[in-house]
Formats: sequence, C-alpha cells, structure tokens
Amino acid sequence: NAGVTQTPKFQVLKTGQSMTLQCAQDMNHEYMSWYRQDPGMGLRLIHYSVGAGITDQGEVPNGYNVSRSTTEDFPLRLLSAAPSQTSVYFCASSYSRVYGYTFGSGTRLTVV
Amino acid sequence: QQQVKQSPQSLIVQKGGISIINCAYENTAFDYFPWYQQFPGKGPALLIAIRPDVSEKKEGRFTISFNKSAKQFSLHIMDSQPGDSATYFCAANYNTDKLIFGTGTRLQVFP
Repeated sequence: NAGVTQTPKFQVLKTGQSMTLQCAQDMNHEYMSWYRQDPGMGLRLIHYSVGAGITDQGEVPNGYNVSRSTTEDFPLRLLSAAPSQTSVYFCASSYSRVYGYTFGSGTRLTVV
Repeated sequence: QQQVKQSPQSLIVQKGGISIINCAYENTAFDYFPWYQQFPGKGPALLIAIRPDVSEKKEGRFTISFNKSAKQFSLHIMDSQPGDSATYFCAANYNTDKLIFGTGTRLQVFP
C-alpha cells in the first residue's frame, strides 16, 4: 500500500497561473480532505469529500475547486494563483470520520 | 473564527517531564476529538482520540483528559522524551465530517 500520494512535492507558480495538485489513495477510503498549513494558523480545511461525486466546502474554499470522480483520486485546482495561496497543502483520507485520517507528505507551493 | 483554540503555541520541557497541551471548543455538536503529531517535513499522523462519553483515555505515555462541561480537552505526555519533539494538533468534528484543527503546539524536549 502506498497510502496517500501527493504530487508534486514542490511547485513555484506565477500570480495568475492555474494548476492542479494531485492526490491519490489506495486504501479504498471514502473520506478525503484537502488542508493548507500556514505558520501560526494550523491546518485549515479547504474542501472535503465523503465519497465519489460528493464534495463540500471547508473553512477556506475561495480560489480552489475540487472534484471526486473516483474513490481513489481527489485533485485540488487553483484557478488563478495568488501570493496568499503560498502554503503547504496536505491531502488526507479516512475510512470514516471517527477513524484517523492518513495524510500525504504534502505539496509546498510558492506563488510569486 | 477559530472553532478549536489550542494553547500554548510552543512548549519546552525537560526530558522525563510532563508535557501538557490544552484545547477548547465552542460547538457542542463536536463528538470526536483526535490529537495528531507532526514531525518536520511530514504530514500529521493520528496519535490518540477520544469521544465525549469518557473523561480520560490513555495509550502508553499519552493521555487525553476531557471535560465536557468546560468544553475543554488536553493532551498529557508523561516522561517526555527528545523523540517526542514535534508539533501537536488537537482537532474536533461532528457528523458533517469536517475535521477542524487547532493552531498547533510546537513541543521541544531537551535532554
């Protein structure tokens, strides 16, 4: 089992560019989430999904889109990158809400 | 608006001492309270979790204490070791599946 795989590990974008952060899990988990981690802010929920075809907004959804066409994949799209989106992004998955989430190793994104 | 408030931001403890990290919440609908541990360059990993129907849960050197009336819960690390040096996050959720995290506590354990 690979667990939760995030790609790329590092990315530099110019303001206004778009990109997709990839997340894949091989544990057949229904629940998947995207978080961003900023110093002093903890982990803030961007979007989450409770199964294929079902997504919902988290605490800080603006500027991000998600879709969940398969159980395994949950990509995060930045529509028009802004310097405020410079952060470390984590994808996580879980069997259910009362089981622990398995986190990926993160994507460090810099927007210049 | 921070739904889960965590303190302190940072903590320095001598080896063998007790590390205590506190969290408070407002939403009484929360019914699952996990703690996560994160080492530099890694994603967070589940450490221990509690439901509000118990006041304490212990796993090895790690204990969660839960006070439902005060809407507070805390993590105690007994006999703290240098290998425990990491960032710790409390979290909470309820039936919407949104897992909300606190702001984190950076723990440093010195030998």
